[in-house]
This record gives sequence, structure tokens and C-alpha cells, in this order.
Amino acid sequence: GNSVTQMEGPVTLSEEAFLTINCTYTATGYPSLFWYVQYPGEGLQLLLKATKADDKGSNKGFEATYRKETTSFHLEKGSVQVSDSAVYFCALSPAPGSSNTGKLIFGQGTTLQVKP
Amino acid sequence: GAVVSQHPSRVICKSGTSVKIECRSLDFQATTMFWYRQFPKQSLMLMATSNEGSKATYEQGVEKDKFLINHASLTLSTLTVTSAHPEDSSFYICSARRGRVNTEAFFGQGTRLTVV
Repeated sequence: GNSVTQMEGPVTLSEEAFLTINCTYTATGYPSLFWYVQYPGEGLQLLLKATKADDKGSNKGFEATYRKETTSFHLEKGSVQVSDSAVYFCALSPAPGSSNTGKLIFGQGTTLQVKP
Repeated sequence: GAVVSQHPSRVICKSGTSVKIECRSLDFQATTMFWYRQFPKQSLMLMATSNEGSKATYEQGVEKDKFLINHASLTLSTLTVTSAHPEDSSFYICSARRGRVNTEAFFGQGTRLTVV
């Protein structure tokens, strides 16, 4: 079946440190991949996405590359800020034609804490 | 980006009463809307998928008679928690998609339900 696995948190970094949050997935075909962010007390916001292999999604200094060979979509940022503190969710949308097309399947979320 | 508005953002109700949560797509037509439940420090659990004009499809383990979903138009879906109990207290989030195939979902702000 379809599933998403994220690294466990919390991840605690100092400001300006390099960030990597690992995400791997299991799915048939070529799903679309997403990163969502949830700031404290708020709903989810789409951070970035990639819809085919080798695509790189980017937004607000965050990047993630769709790696079919390693079934991964790791989130990276070169220099984090205190304002990046949030919960980050990796998600996939199954490929067209699968039984779950149209749904989003989420990882368990990774909490990022950035200290000044 | 597309805007999804969820209302109310917070609600407190007495045990045994019913609560309705609205999810509106403000600037696009949402052929599909999803309802999720998020427990503290946990990921999102998909409750049901609703397509405009048809009955919602519930995930395994979700009581359809307790969580009534109505997707009456292309811009509005409602979730009614019937005969609410304290264990129904949670953070409920809706999302809306323009289409079924590999398009990102846009999320509402979420509703914090507290049943006392």
C-alpha cells in the first residue's frame, strides 16, 4: 500500500544551521509528493511539491528533490530561522489510476525547533 | 494560491449536542473535499472523502452516522459531529482539491473542537 515515513523529531537546531528532514515513501507508479508546514495553532500550508521524478520543489528557501531510485523526498534548507519552527509533514498523492487516487497520505510529522 | 476557509476555528460544546463545521473553497470549485482529524502531536488521519453531489466515502473505522458529511455544492462541504462526546475533542481539518489527479490540496485553518 501507500505510505510515508518521516524522521522522528523533534529536530532542534540553532539559527542559521542547515536543515534536513528525511522522508521516504512507498507507492506504485509515480505519485506526487508534497511538503506541508503547520505553524503553532494553525492549519496546514503547502510548502512545496514535485509531481515527477527528478523534479525539485522549492519555496521560502526550502527545497526537496523527488528521487525515484531511493523513493525519497528529503526537505532541506541552508540556513534556518527561528520563524521556521513548526511541524513539517511529508505527503504523497497516489499516481493516477490507483485505488487511492485523489487522497493525500501523510507522514507522522516532524517538529522543528530553531533556537536563537 | 487557492483559499479554503473553515469555520468555526474553535468551538466548545456540551456532551450530547451536535456541532457543524463548514469548509468553503473561496476562489475555486472543489470537486473533492477531504476531512481529517489530528490528535495532539500526531499526524492527520483521513476521515472521509466527499465529492460534490454524491455520498461521502468514509475510511475504515470512522462512524458515518456520527460524522455526517454533506458536500452540497462545489464550494461547500460540512462535517457534523452528532451527539458529541469528550473523546470527539480534536482538531478537525478540511482540504479541497480542484481535481482528482495529482493536484495539491489546499487546507482550511482547522477547527478545535472541545466537548465538555
